[in-house]
Amino acid sequence: AQSVAQPEDQVNVAEGNPLTVKCTYSVSGNPYLFWYVQYPNRGLQFLLKYITGDNLVKGSYGFEAEFNKSQTSFHLKKPSALVSDSALYFCAVKRTNAGKSTFGDGTTLTVKP
Amino acid sequence: DVKVTQSSRYLVKRTGEKVFLECVQDMDHENMFWYRQDPGLGLRLIYFSYDVKMKEKGDIPEGYSVSREKKERFSLILESASTNQTSMYLCASSKSGTGKLAGGLYNEQFFGPGTRLTVL
Repeated sequence: AQSVAQPEDQVNVAEGNPLTVKCTYSVSGNPYLFWYVQYPNRGLQFLLKYITGDNLVKGSYGFEAEFNKSQTSFHLKKPSALVSDSALYFCAVKRTNAGKSTFGDGTTLTVKP
Repeated sequence: DVKVTQSSRYLVKRTGEKVFLECVQDMDHENMFWYRQDPGLGLRLIYFSYDVKMKEKGDIPEGYSVSREKKERFSLILESASTNQTSMYLCASSKSGTGKLAGGLYNEQFFGPGTRLTVL
């Protein structure tokens, strides 16, 4: 079995401040971890993933995420938030190369000017 | 770029109707998925398919069926639509890696724009 928790429904930050969107997971074996973003009235887009290697993963639009095996976390971060980062963010986990991913419930990020 | 298209952006149907949602991807992906997205519930997997004519139930398959006769096309069927199936439906596809590519470039999913289905 696999599961993902995004403990915050909403995250509010001021433009220019660092942002963190939290994700913890549970999976047997080695996880594949993903972040996706959904901008208003648009489909989900892939942001970044962790498969193996460096624990710090860099992705699109200046986002990065840190894989922490001991804490089973994969938090999404950005050093300086933009208003245009406001969107719905989903974390997902997968156990194998093929097959289904399990998504979290999503976190709405609002960046205020 | 990978492109995943869905037959309709908006659809309104009546209770009891049979509903077909079509999804087509153009990148020769092995895996295809159908999700529904509801506020506060995230994405929930309905069905997925590893290959042509293969299908597996996801987390919420009740009331749905699927068809994959061609690699690029994955259809979701609501046999008898009900009001609790009013939702946003998202199709996705992904590439399966093998050998040295396993876990490499092909695991992320590419999503279509979604179909907002309303059942009256």
